[in-house]
Amino acid sequence: QVHLMESGGGVVQPGRSLRLSCAASGFIFRDFVMHWVRQAPGKGLEWVAVIGYDGSDKNYADSVKGRFTISRDNPKNTLYLQMNSLRVEDTAAYYCTREGRSFDYWGQGTLVTVSS
Amino acid sequence: DIVMTQTPLSLSVTPGQPASISCKSSQSLLYSNGKTYLYWYLQKPGQSPQLLIYEVSSRFSGVPDRFSGSGSGTDFTLKISRVEAEDVGVYYCMQGIYFPRTFGQGTKVEIK
Repeated sequence: QVHLMESGGGVVQPGRSLRLSCAASGFIFRDFVMHWVRQAPGKGLEWVAVIGYDGSDKNYADSVKGRFTISRDNPKNTLYLQMNSLRVEDTAAYYCTREGRSFDYWGQGTLVTVSS
Repeated sequence: DIVMTQTPLSLSVTPGQPASISCKSSQSLLYSNGKTYLYWYLQKPGQSPQLLIYEVSSRFSGVPDRFSGSGSGTDFTLKISRVEAEDVGVYYCMQGIYFPRTFGQGTKVEIK
């Protein structure tokens, strides 16, 4: 069955970097567009970034543009989110999600806390 | 950006009774291919969001038929015909026609 597992979250100081990973299994990873969505504590869902099948097409939310980079390694069935120049307002649970029937499968999320 | 506005923001429902959530978008979600890219998600307490309804009215695999979606253009509704205890959580609508993808604020459903 489809499984997405995020990792790489943690506590980091403002201005520092972090890389999230999302390991995919149970489906042909290269055949699906992939996204990152985040949720600040007690808040709603915010779309972060999308990447096309082969990694050539990408799009970002204005709030992260220029600081975050989405990428993928299809042979490794893994999605990434490189987060640079982190801000306190980036504190959130980060979910990877597959675009099948829209966001049809989600990972369990990884928590990123940006704090001094 | 397309703004998605949900009402109400909270709902308390007696088990077995119906519930309805409205979602309005600031622009039409009808694409040139005739499809309307409006989705509904449920985030149960402590869990990741899960897809309920895609393209306005199609139930995702495994979603009970007490959930139904309707609407067109900019006005959409999610209905639960008979609320059960397992339906508690926060419901979100989302538009999938433009980037950035945008979600409604969420509607918290609780059981009376």
